[in-house]
Amino acid sequence: GQQLNQSPQSMFIQEGEDVSMNCTSSSIFNTWLWYKQDPGEGPVLLIALYKAGELTSNGRLTAQFGITRKDSFLNISASIPSDVGIYFCAGRTYSGAGSYQLTFGKGTKLSVIP
Amino acid sequence: NAGVTQTPKFRVLKTGQSMTLLCAQDMNHEYMYWYRQDPGMGLRLIHYSVGEGTTAKGEVPDGYNVSRLKKQNFLLGLESAAPSQTSVYFCASSWGGNNEQFFGPGTRLTVL
Repeated sequence: GQQLNQSPQSMFIQEGEDVSMNCTSSSIFNTWLWYKQDPGEGPVLLIALYKAGELTSNGRLTAQFGITRKDSFLNISASIPSDVGIYFCAGRTYSGAGSYQLTFGKGTKLSVIP
Repeated sequence: NAGVTQTPKFRVLKTGQSMTLLCAQDMNHEYMYWYRQDPGMGLRLIHYSVGEGTTAKGEVPDGYNVSRLKKQNFLLGLESAAPSQTSVYFCASSWGGNNEQFFGPGTRLTVL
C-alpha cells in the first residue's frame, strides 16, 4: 500500500521558535491534509491543500503542496505552549466508486518548552 | 451538536471475548469510517461506509466486522478479541468521500 514518510518523529523547541515538518511519498496524492491530535482526543484538521504548488496559511500555520504531488510541509511560526501535540500529514487519493482513501504519516510529536 | 461520539471510552477484554464499539454522528454525514491508531503509527483504516446499509473494507479489516443499519450510527465488532487488537479506535464521518473527516474522541481497547 501507499506509505508516507513523516519527519521528524519528535521535536523539542523553545516557545517562540518556528517549527517545520514534512511528509514525502513515492506515490502521488490529489490532496494533502495536515491534522493535529491533542492528548486523549481525535485528530482535528488544520489545513487542506488541493493543488500542486499550493501554499496555504491558517493563522501561524503555513503548509505547501509539493510540485511533484509527492510531498508537503507544515510550518508553525512563533510557537506557543498550546501547539503541543502530535501532527499528522495525510494524503488522499480516489479509490473508485465514489470513495477516497486517506493515508496517514506516523506523526510528529511536538513539545514546546516555555 | 455533539459531532462524533464514541462509546465506550475505555474497555479491557480477555482474549476470545467479543464486543461492539458504537459510533454516532449528528451531522447527517453520509460517510463514516473506523480507524485504529497504534503507538508510533498513523491512523489505519479498518472499514468504512459510504451510506446507510453499505460497508467496505479498508487497509486492515481482518478480525473486525461493521454494520451501518442507521445513517447516524456505525458499529465496529470484534468477534473474538486478540492481543494484537489492543489499540485506540477512532471513528470519523464526512459529507462525502472528498470532504473533511470529523473524528470522535477515541476508544482505548486493551485485550489481555
